[in-house]
Amino acid sequence: AQSVSQHNHHVILSEAASLELGCNYSYGGTVNLFWYVQYPGQHLQLLLKYFSGDPLVKGIKGFEAEFIKSKFSFNLRKPSVQWSDTAEYFCAVKFWKTGNQFYFGTGTSLTVIP
Amino acid sequence: GAVVSQHPSWVICKSGTSVKIECRSLDFQATTMFWYRQFPKQSLMLMATSNEGSKATYEQGVEKDKFLINHASLTLSTLTVTSAHPEDSSFYICSARDWESGANVLTFGAGSRLTVL
Repeated sequence: AQSVSQHNHHVILSEAASLELGCNYSYGGTVNLFWYVQYPGQHLQLLLKYFSGDPLVKGIKGFEAEFIKSKFSFNLRKPSVQWSDTAEYFCAVKFWKTGNQFYFGTGTSLTVIP
Repeated sequence: GAVVSQHPSWVICKSGTSVKIECRSLDFQATTMFWYRQFPKQSLMLMATSNEGSKATYEQGVEKDKFLINHASLTLSTLTVTSAHPEDSSFYICSARDWESGANVLTFGAGSRLTVL
């Protein structure tokens, strides 16, 4: 069965530190990859997405992610985090062979200390 | 951009009663909407796929008689939690995809927090 895993459940960083959140998915052929963010008290918002082409994608607020097909990974990065980046981050994968369904990772809670 | 509205955002009900949650796509048509359940500190669990004009497709382990889904129009899907019990207390989130924009991304509603006493 298709699955998405996020290795870091809770990350605490100081402001200006670099961030990398891991996301791996099970093999399942062609995929579309997403990172969503949920700020405290708000709904899920799309950070960035990968469909095809350049495996390094840039999203909003200085975030980027790299798709490494051989590792089935789509890690999220940001060179310098801010206090306002404190949120829950979810990796999501759409496996084409399962149709419309999106599979979500368990989420990573990021706390940035001023 | 695409906007999905959910109502109510917060509801408290007594055990045994039914609660209806609405999910509307405000500026696009959604032939398909998705209902998720989110437990504290956990990921989103897909409950069902709501299809306009036809029956919803439920995920394994989700009771279709308990979680009734109706997708009566291209902009509205409803989730009714029937005979709610305290274990049904959770955060329910709907999402939809704006196919016409070609974006192929999910837009989420703000969620509905259900507390069953």
